[in-house]
Amino acid sequence: DAGVTQSPTHLIKTRGQQVTLRCSPISGHKSVSWYQQVLGQGPQFIFQYYEKEERGRENFPDRFSARQFPNYSSELNVNALLLGDSALYLCASSREVGTTGREGYTFGSGTRLTVV
Amino acid sequence: EDKVVQSPLSLVVHEGDTVTLNCSYEVTNFRSLLWYKQEKKAPTFLFMLTSSGIEKKSGRLSSILDKKELFSILNITATQTGDSAIYLCAVVTSNTGKLIFGQGTTLQVKP
Repeated sequence: DAGVTQSPTHLIKTRGQQVTLRCSPISGHKSVSWYQQVLGQGPQFIFQYYEKEERGRENFPDRFSARQFPNYSSELNVNALLLGDSALYLCASSREVGTTGREGYTFGSGTRLTVV
Repeated sequence: EDKVVQSPLSLVVHEGDTVTLNCSYEVTNFRSLLWYKQEKKAPTFLFMLTSSGIEKKSGRLSSILDKKELFSILNITATQTGDSAIYLCAVVTSNTGKLIFGQGTTLQVKP
């Protein structure tokens, strides 16, 4: 079984540009969450989607948006990029909202975004 | 405000040493506590702890939760260079299921 796949793996953008990151969850998983991990910090929750609806959102600027598609894959969009948006963006999939345990949250390898 | 704090932030040991990593939390809707190992990018699952006092073990790694004192520890015995990684502690909230992570502990094991 394929794990959680994210694309692209690396990305370099300039300030003010827009970026779209993609995530495909594990087959059978209906929930996708996005996390931002700045260098030297733990991941920070951004969004959670379940059955194509937003189920949770942290205090991130409106420049951050996301959506989930009928096949449960997800996109994270960031507009008007700032230098401070440089980070590793991780996607985690789970079968349901709030599922815990070994099967609960599986992370992808992330997208390393560098804003210059 | 919910928070998870890990200590130490970094640690350098030699192969064969035993290490103890700490995680304390203040979270309103606690559901469970998870430990992850992050080597390059994707955090990989180590343990889930829900009840106090029950030790989880996997090889040289073990972990325990104290829900009264609001902390957990991760022990690694007979460390190996392959244990070098960032160890992340995360609390699962019961209302949304989101993970609240600590800053991580960077462990370096020297030969």
